[in-house]
Amino acid sequence: AQTVTQSQPEMSVQEAETVTLSCTYDTSESNYYLFWYKQPPSRQMILVIRQEAYKQQNATENRFSVNFQKAAKSFSLKISDSQLGDTAMYFCAWSGGTSYGKLTFGQGTILTVHP
Amino acid sequence: EPEVTQTPSHQVTQMGQEVILRCVPISNHLYFYWYRQILGQKVEFLVSFYNNEISEKSEIFDDQFSVERPDGSNFTLKIRSTKLEDSAMYFCASRLQGDSLPTEAFFGQGTRLTVV
Repeated sequence: AQTVTQSQPEMSVQEAETVTLSCTYDTSESNYYLFWYKQPPSRQMILVIRQEAYKQQNATENRFSVNFQKAAKSFSLKISDSQLGDTAMYFCAWSGGTSYGKLTFGQGTILTVHP
Repeated sequence: EPEVTQTPSHQVTQMGQEVILRCVPISNHLYFYWYRQILGQKVEFLVSFYNNEISEKSEIFDDQFSVERPDGSNFTLKIRSTKLEDSAMYFCASRLQGDSLPTEAFFGQGTRLTVV
């Protein structure tokens, strides 16, 4: 079974600074996808960024980028120029194998951006 | 922009009562999911649905749970006899079918279920 681990229950950052959220996963599958979802206080799940395991290039989406280390099974999220609106719970998630589409989530990291 | 819509946003029910949570997935999506999130905990997979049948379900999805797509637009989750521990946020999600690669799931805003 796949597992996703987020070892940082809470993080905080000053506005305009950069913060990195950690995620590790365990899988025996060779083809899979990794995702970061944001859950603001409204509790809606919003996709931030995704990474295909077969792609070596790290995904970027505006101020959000990932550091994907396949051999280490690590998938961290870097948020540059943090904004107050980035305050949310962030979930790392895995999808692949015979269950494409089904997401396995980590425990989440609460990120607080301070003015 | 198309979105997944869930109703109601908040449901309070008596223990032992049946509840039906409703979802309208994005219209051209073919895969449908229910997840739940107990307060303060991670999001957990409940069930996936494709081609009018369950394609996968978790251990949580026991005989008290059922899903249905009664018409071309709605996707429902029924809990037959609610328990206190069913109190959670329930998320519906849908996605397109990729050729061989998955597309991302789009989530609804969730239904907060409170069992009293």
